[in-house]
Amino acid sequence: KAGVTQTPRYLIKTRGQQVTLSCSPISGHRSVSWYQQTPGQGLQFLFEYFSETQRNKGNFPGRFSGRQFSNSRSEMNVSTLELGDSALYLCASRRGGRDTQYFGPGTRLTVL
Amino acid sequence: AQKITQTQPGMFVQEKEAVTLDCTYDTSDQSYGLFWYKQPSSGEMIFLIYQGSYDEQNATEGRYSLNFQKARKSANLVISASQLGDSAMYFCAMREMNRDDKIIFGKGTRLHILP
Repeated sequence: KAGVTQTPRYLIKTRGQQVTLSCSPISGHRSVSWYQQTPGQGLQFLFEYFSETQRNKGNFPGRFSGRQFSNSRSEMNVSTLELGDSALYLCASRRGGRDTQYFGPGTRLTVL
Repeated sequence: AQKITQTQPGMFVQEKEAVTLDCTYDTSDQSYGLFWYKQPSSGEMIFLIYQGSYDEQNATEGRYSLNFQKARKSANLVISASQLGDSAMYFCAMREMNRDDKIIFGKGTRLHILP
């Protein structure tokens, strides 16, 4: 069974731009979560989508948004990029709320 | 308040020795789950082991075992016979069933295996 895939793997943007990251979960998984990982703040939870509905949300500004499609694929959007948004963005999927979460390889975003 | 505490930012261990990575957690829920993940330098988070709060036996997966002490709220990861490939960042995580199953992570422990 294919694992979680994320595209693109690497991205370079400039301040003020916006970016969209994509995540395809493991087949049959209905939950997709997004995390931001930085050396200073560690792994921080952004949000979780389950069956196209946002189920949980972390403490991030409104510039960070996401959505999930009917095929469970998810996108995360960051508008008006700031230098501090440079990070590894990890996506994880699980079948349901009580199941183990599996991660994708991440998208490394650099904001110049 | 920090809910997952990993007190060892970094550890150096000789190859073939056993390693214990500490994790303490804080929750008022009776029903929760505990996870350990490994993150090599490539960045991908790899699931290692899971322990449910109602599981009576400590979880084991190959060379990994979870030393679960519920009263002390600790869930230490034990790696037996460490290998060079075990060098990585290790994260402890908790899922609280009464918080919409949200999963939160500790800050991690960087493990270095020495040849």
